[in-house]
Amino acid sequence: DAKTTQPTSMDCAEGRAANLPCNHSTISGNEYVYWYRQIHSQGPQYIIHGLKNNETNEMASLIITEDRKSSTLILPHATLRDTAVYYCIVRAHSGNTPLVFGKGTRLSVIA
Amino acid sequence: GAVVSQHPSWVICKSGTSVKIECRSLDFQATTMFWYRQFPKQSLMLMATSNEGSKATYEQGVEKDKFLINHASLTLSTLTVTSAHPEDSSFYICSARDAARGEGTEAFFGQGTRLTVV
Repeated sequence: DAKTTQPTSMDCAEGRAANLPCNHSTISGNEYVYWYRQIHSQGPQYIIHGLKNNETNEMASLIITEDRKSSTLILPHATLRDTAVYYCIVRAHSGNTPLVFGKGTRLSVIA
Repeated sequence: GAVVSQHPSWVICKSGTSVKIECRSLDFQATTMFWYRQFPKQSLMLMATSNEGSKATYEQGVEKDKFLINHASLTLSTLTVTSAHPEDSSFYICSARDAARGEGTEAFFGQGTRLTVV
């Protein structure tokens, strides 16, 4: 079973920041937080991952709370092409373990 | 990022026939690949873990004799759906990590294969 909880859906105005929350209150010390997204009828796309420090790349920023029980993915300037299902996944880096997907958040970017 | 390619992107087959789906890592080697399927309006469900040169590990409820997995090289894994039936119609997706970068890295996904059994 997935170890994360995400809202079912969210809307965001085009050009505004999209903030997607994720709860992972049972995360273990060796588990990382990964974010992927899936645009309709495509394979998932990697966005970002982190352990405890905030991370930023060309796609997004990841903010992880100090207790690591929750995180927020931030898309700084959402576009219509960011409309997708966003998955927050926790995974340990020991062993070549697969990603286990929950239900994710369906983000709709509105013009 | 690294590229994982699946072929075909979509396939329609008759009930009772077999269909092979290929998953290739184009610019890296993968000792392990993962196969998922996704039914409409649902999330991805892990089917099996494919290990190069050895038998695949199947998740509970997935029939190993129906979903044959072969991982003969470090860049290719195949999933064969044998004696397909309409209930096998689904979106099949593979993923892989770059073996050279270790286990603590992101996995990359193929574009998926839409299987329709008529």
